[in-house]
Amino acid sequence: DSGVTQTPKHLITATGQRVTLRCSPRSGDLSVYWYQQSLDQGLQFLIQYYNGEERAKGNILERFSAQQFPDLHSELNLSSLELGDSALYFCASSTGRSGGYTFGSGTRLTVV
Amino acid sequence: QKEVEQDPGPLSVPEGAIVSLNCTYSNSAFQYFMWYRQYSRKGPELLMYTYSSGNKEDGRFTAQVDKSSKYISLFIRDSQPSDSATYLCAMSNSNSGYALNFGKGTSLLVTP
Repeated sequence: DSGVTQTPKHLITATGQRVTLRCSPRSGDLSVYWYQQSLDQGLQFLIQYYNGEERAKGNILERFSAQQFPDLHSELNLSSLELGDSALYFCASSTGRSGGYTFGSGTRLTVV
Repeated sequence: QKEVEQDPGPLSVPEGAIVSLNCTYSNSAFQYFMWYRQYSRKGPELLMYTYSSGNKEDGRFTAQVDKSSKYISLFIRDSQPSDSATYLCAMSNSNSGYALNFGKGTSLLVTP
């Protein structure tokens, strides 16, 4: 157990729907990162939050949004889902400094 | 052109061999360099973390960074079947909130 908890582990939904992925960071970590992993693109950075505020944005689609709550857990919202959104979504947390992150075990999203 | 390039393999070696994994990158601003190991689409696990140029050793693993050549390496000595996994290089800098840029990963198979 890495200490980063992601729920649900698996999610199957239809095109056009909206889903919410949840992440609880390691105790003491203020920074949360979201990544998408697909077979053709590899791991792609989506967005980072630090202590409740958005810190950096990567290749995140406008249909996707995220937030970090006062208890530091984070949610990634994916809307108007398309088949191409099927992927593994990972959350990672860190102290917010330069050190390597700790990743959760991911949510496997399948859009049908 | 991706900022981080990594040969996807697969790389197959006999047990006990020395494994060399490499990545090249184009962004000279990268300061922090990491290697992650990922088993069967599970969450990536941090193996090695290096700041700037130089070598770092941890057990059977050695990470090397050559910033002048924009080239990083991971060496695995006395490779074991349990080392069979996908190895991902990653790098970041303070300008982008330490968001990680990943290579696509090299698939390694160590045969008994």
